Amino acid sequence: SQTIHQWPATLVQPVGSPLSLECTVEGTSNPNLYWYRQAAGRGLQLLFYSVGIGQISSEVPQNLSASRPQDRQFILSSKKLLLSDSGFYLCAWSPRQDYNEQFFGPGTRLTVL
Amino acid sequence: GQNIDQPTEMTATEGAIVQINCTYQTSGFNGLFWYQQHAGEAPTFLSYNVLDGLEEKGRFSSFLSRSKGYSYLLLKELQMKDSASYLCAVLDSNYQLIWGAGTKLIIKP
Repeated sequence: SQTIHQWPATLVQPVGSPLSLECTVEGTSNPNLYWYRQAAGRGLQLLFYSVGIGQISSEVPQNLSASRPQDRQFILSSKKLLLSDSGFYLCAWSPRQDYNEQFFGPGTRLTVL
Repeated sequence: GQNIDQPTEMTATEGAIVQINCTYQTSGFNGLFWYQQHAGEAPTFLSYNVLDGLEEKGRFSSFLSRSKGYSYLLLKELQMKDSASYLCAVLDSNYQLIWGAGTKLIIKP
């Protein structure tokens, strides 16, 4: 069966510090991968998605970046965090087919102070 | 532009029935999903509709009318554990999921 991991679960970082969130998927190959952010009480905002190694599409211009160094690894980064980067970050995967149900990781709650 | 509308919040009583509506305007349509999200947790899949009609799965049912750009999620025999946010999402012509802001459902005893 497939599983998706995210770490860390929670993170408190000062403004201006760097960020690296990691997501890995097990039990499947060649998945589509997604990074979402969810502000408190709000819907999901798609940040990045990837259909393959090294292929990243950005949905929203911001100070975040994403990389996919391996087939089942997706990394979200920032060089300098802003207060507005606080939120619940979710990684998701979907099979490479038309039916696009997405399966979510447990999420990382980021607080920027 | 693409738009998905859901009520922000709804309240219902334990044991009752509640219907959560979702209307959408998207560039193309390849299916509609409902997800459940408990506070502080990741969303989990509830249902998928691509054809018009009602899909029933236990206490939960989901309905779709493509001509009206409309769906609803019906929850029967409500339990306290059903208190959560319910997210509607549409798969557009590029097979990208467009998400609604979610409906927070509060269940009272």
